[in-house]
Amino acid sequence: DVKVTQSSRYLVKRTGEKVFLECVQDMDHENMFWYRQDPGLGLRLIYFSYDVKMKEKGDIPEGYSVSREKKERFSLILESASTNQTSMYLCASRSGLNGYTFGSGTRLTVV
Amino acid sequence: AQSVTQLDSQVPVFEEAPVELRCNYSSSVSVYLFWYVQYPNQGLQLLLKYLSGSTLVKGINGFEAEFNKSQTSFHLRKPSVHISDTAEYFCAVSETDSWGKLQFGAGTQVVVTP
Repeated sequence: DVKVTQSSRYLVKRTGEKVFLECVQDMDHENMFWYRQDPGLGLRLIYFSYDVKMKEKGDIPEGYSVSREKKERFSLILESASTNQTSMYLCASRSGLNGYTFGSGTRLTVV
Repeated sequence: AQSVTQLDSQVPVFEEAPVELRCNYSSSVSVYLFWYVQYPNQGLQLLLKYLSGSTLVKGINGFEAEFNKSQTSFHLRKPSVHISDTAEYFCAVSETDSWGKLQFGAGTQVVVTP
């Protein structure tokens, strides 16, 4: 079975901290994505990557950056965490015309 | 740019009754369409997808959806629900030339009661 693994299930960070969310896939997929999920808003795309070292902004990139140094790993970085970044973060990967494979999510609370 | 509207935020339904979840989209180009399910405290799981061909698509767990291009809709149906179908359901659209970016609807919470 294909897997997308997010390193933390729950995370609590302080305002102003630099936060790293890690995502690893074992399927050799080219495309990887970071979404945030908020009640009533569905999932919104933060950033995506279509190849190693390649990245594109999604719909809500402000306050975030990403890194993809290896094909299997896609990291989301909160440069200076703020309380409005408290959310569920979902990583996904995709190859070809198939739907995404999602990780289980990281619930981040910024206090 | 595409957008997705899920017309119901919550759908209560009795066990063994049918359910329909409505999804409308807008896009100026060809699209692929998806339905995902999210059980409590889990990631999203693909229920079914429409890429091309037959407009009636069958998925896992007895779900099916029909693509209607003229009405730009992709409604999800199940003829008889179980308690275990209690979950949040997301409709999603991907434009065919968009690197696979998905635009999600806001979600529909299905609550099945005995």
